[in-house]
Amino acid sequence: GAGVSQSPSNKVTEKGKDVELRCDPISGHTALYWYRQSLGQGLEFLIYFQGNSAPDKSGLPSDRFSAERTGGSVSTLTIQRTQQEDSAVYLCASSYGSRQATTSTDTQYFGPGTRLTVL
Amino acid sequence: KNQVEQSPQSLIILEGKNCTLQCNYTVSPFSNLRWYKQDTGRGPVSLTIMTFSENTKSNGRYTATLDADTKQSSLHITASQLSDSASYICVVSAGGGSYIPTFGRGTSLIVHP
Repeated sequence: GAGVSQSPSNKVTEKGKDVELRCDPISGHTALYWYRQSLGQGLEFLIYFQGNSAPDKSGLPSDRFSAERTGGSVSTLTIQRTQQEDSAVYLCASSYGSRQATTSTDTQYFGPGTRLTVL
Repeated sequence: KNQVEQSPQSLIILEGKNCTLQCNYTVSPFSNLRWYKQDTGRGPVSLTIMTFSENTKSNGRYTATLDADTKQSSLHITASQLSDSASYICVVSAGGGSYIPTFGRGTSLIVHP
């Protein structure tokens, strides 16, 4: 079946512009996660959705970052007034989900990522 | 502060050889530990997930161990193949209502023919 898909695969933007990244999770997965992977750095957790709700947004690096999920499916990550330090690969993952996803042993399935370059 | 340290940072081995990757963590309270494999330009793929009560978990040629007392985990790869060349990432999740997992920076493994 179809895996997690993300679009666009690559995005080049100018400093100060807004960007919107999209994630389509695996059908039936209720949990959805956004991560960021900067060059030479480890993965960084951004936000997690259980259904349409984001129980913990404290991983978002600044108030320029926001995310939403509608219909328990597609999610968008929006970065306003992009800065050069926002350049990274943004990864989305989904899992079958449970009430407490971080204590769950559900397998997370990752998408291929969106490579964002801010000039 | 929750931290996950992985070693070595990079490793080069010959095809057919075994290797062991290490992960030390200070995450507390501990909930679960995952090992991922990430091929260049791809998203991570889950290899194993272990909770507090599990001390070993296998997935084919991959075997992960967990010592919750010393807060150490290892990933052992048996009879390495060229396709094992990738970054291996250790991720530890805390309990107590925290939703933020802590990632190691990964070990880059290169398998040469």
